[in-house]
Amino acid sequence: QSALTQPASVSGSPGQSITISCTGTSSDVGGYNYVSWYQQHPGKAPKLMIYDVSKRPSGVSNRFSGSKSGNTASLTISGLQAEDEADYYCCSYAGSSTWVFGGGTKLTVL
Amino acid sequence: QVQLVESGGGVVQPGGSLRLSCAASGFTFSSYGMHWVRQAPGKGLEWVAFIRYDGSNKYYADSVKGRFTISRDNSKNTLYLQMNSLRAEDTAVYYCAKRGPGTLYYFDYWGQGTLVTVSS
Repeated sequence: QSALTQPASVSGSPGQSITISCTGTSSDVGGYNYVSWYQQHPGKAPKLMIYDVSKRPSGVSNRFSGSKSGNTASLTISGLQAEDEADYYCCSYAGSSTWVFGGGTKLTVL
Repeated sequence: QVQLVESGGGVVQPGGSLRLSCAASGFTFSSYGMHWVRQAPGKGLEWVAFIRYDGSNKYYADSVKGRFTISRDNSKNTLYLQMNSLRAEDTAVYYCAKRGPGTLYYFDYWGQGTLVTVSS
């Protein structure tokens, strides 16, 4: 149950696009199409942004998209806005009814 | 609307015990599996435990196996986490989270969390 690997921080200017990577193994990210992404603002609970690699829940902006290739999943945010500044966590199903999170990425909107 | 409200956090000495509760409303609690996820101060999220909708099966992270017990009372729409033999590294905000519909492999709603501090 080792944590998935995410970059500690990413940044971008308003209107730009950024991508956050999430690297695991064939036992988690690579083995299942069950990667989800969560946004967390300081002092707040996490919020679901993407599930099942690329599905967007109702109410989440279509500026958020997800993908996966091999053992690496990615979250892309297009048209960056100030309110997107937050921490982002990936999560993967890891088999046997266990889950593993990434270490988190701090997104700064310049 | 879905609401998850955690309670029971506080300060406890190393080796002590604490029971967290999560009161659920706004959905059919007895139809969904539930999770506990924690976040140490300034750190990332860590999945802790999962219980199936009917309480028939329970699963734990290696870091808490044998010390924590997840349970539920569907008649009270409440999820629990019994934490024993607490260690300093268990200090964290503990969130309850609802299992998502469909494929079920994600968390679609989260509570606001309750802080557990293990310190002498």
